[in-house]
Amino acid sequence: RKEVEQDPGPFNVPEGATVAFNCTYSNSASQSFFWYRQDCRKEPKLLMSVYSSGNEDGRFTAQLNRASQYISLLIRDSKLSDSATYLCVVSRRDSSYKLIFGSGTRLLVRP
Amino acid sequence: NAGVTQTPKFQVLKTGQSMTLQCAQDMNHEYMSWYRQDPGMGLRLIHYSVGAGITDQGEVPNGYNVSRSTTEDFPLRLLSAAPSQTSVYFCASSYNPGGVIPGANVLTFGAGSRLTVL
Repeated sequence: RKEVEQDPGPFNVPEGATVAFNCTYSNSASQSFFWYRQDCRKEPKLLMSVYSSGNEDGRFTAQLNRASQYISLLIRDSKLSDSATYLCVVSRRDSSYKLIFGSGTRLLVRP
Repeated sequence: NAGVTQTPKFQVLKTGQSMTLQCAQDMNHEYMSWYRQDPGMGLRLIHYSVGAGITDQGEVPNGYNVSRSTTEDFPLRLLSAAPSQTSVYFCASSYNPGGVIPGANVLTFGAGSRLTVL
């Protein structure tokens, strides 16, 4: 079993839709959680960190559920420019220098 | 522009050849790392460094060597390339990528190096 698992998608949604991705992690000692965004044939870039209390950045909301060991990303009012692959990233308590990446969830937003 | 610079962007090698992927950053980050990205596998950590003179293995270190003689540079060496090393390689740097301090935990990636081993 992979340490960080994501549904690969693709999620194909119309503009303006709300879409949610989940990511599960297997190591209960995981400490920090992030969502990175990767455009086709480009490098990943940090979208947002995920805090225990949940956090929001404009149209994006991230949630953490430690009991069930998953994090989520909600995108409201989808734009064409949101089309990308979203990577779930986890770091361990014993080493904040070793980030574990999920395989990514691909989102396609259509006109 | 400040950031992480990787070279070359593309490389084709024959099995058994050696080469070095270069990575340089100008943000004074102590942490640098190399990842490889393969379809369906996500990014996997090859080697990382938490400062000049300090390196450590990641998830998939076999077949790769690194060194960190300066804060700015972190080259990745393939001593004897194999077809299984065909991949996209990313170098990345940060103050502390898994930390909880906003801003300091941003992992900045280079543009990637596409390597094909025949």
